[in-house]
Amino acid sequence: SQQGEEDPQALSIQEGENATMNCSYKTSINNLQWYRQNSGRGLVHLILIRSNEREKHSGRLRVTLDTSKKSSSLLITASRAADTASYFCAPSGGYNKLIFGAGTRLAVHP
Amino acid sequence: DVKVTQSSRYLVKRTGEKVFLECVQDMDHENMFWYRQDPGLGLRLIYFSYDVKMKEKGDIPEGYSVSREKKERFSLILESASTNQTSMYLCASSLGRSSYGYTFGSGTRLTVV
Repeated sequence: SQQGEEDPQALSIQEGENATMNCSYKTSINNLQWYRQNSGRGLVHLILIRSNEREKHSGRLRVTLDTSKKSSSLLITASRAADTASYFCAPSGGYNKLIFGAGTRLAVHP
Repeated sequence: DVKVTQSSRYLVKRTGEKVFLECVQDMDHENMFWYRQDPGLGLRLIYFSYDVKMKEKGDIPEGYSVSREKKERFSLILESASTNQTSMYLCASSLGRSSYGYTFGSGTRLTVV
C-alpha cells in the first residue's frame, strides 16, 4: 500500500496569501487524492488527480502532479481563515484502501 | 447529500468493556473502512471491507474486530477496551476501486478510563 508524506508539517500564513503544501510518495500510482480535516472532524475529499494528469483546478485549489519526481503539490490561493485545517494527501496504486500520512497543519490568520 | 453517519461523537467506556462503534452510509458504497487517528501518527487503517460479510485486516487490527452484515453498516468492535485504544475513530466509505474519493463520517472520540 502507498503512503504519502506531506511537507511542511505546519504552515502559518496571513489571510489573502497563498498556501502551498507538498506530498511525496515512493511507488507508482493510479491517482492521488487530497483531503482536508477541520479540527476534530472527519476528512473531506477535495480533489483527485489521475496519473496521466499534470494539473487540476477546483475553485481556489490547484493541484499538480509530477510522476517522474513522485510528488504532488496543493496550492490554495487567496487563503481565508476558514481554510485553517489539516491537509492530507493519499496516493493510490489502484487498490481499494488509502493510507494517510500525518498531514500538513495550515493556520490562516485574519 | 451523501452521508456517512457514526453513531456517537463522544464515548467514555471503562477498561475491559466490549465497545461497539457503528457506521452507516446511505450511498450504496461497496467499500467501508475504519481508521483511528492519534496526534502525530496520522490516520491508521484498522479494518476494511469490500463487500457484505467480507473483511480485511488493515495495519493495526489487534484488539479490534468488525462486522458487516448489511451493505450500509460497518461496525467496529473493541473486544476488551484498553486505555491505549483511547483515540478518534473515523469511518469512511467509497464506491468501487480507489479511483473514487472516500466519504468520511464525523468521527467518534473514544475515551477508555
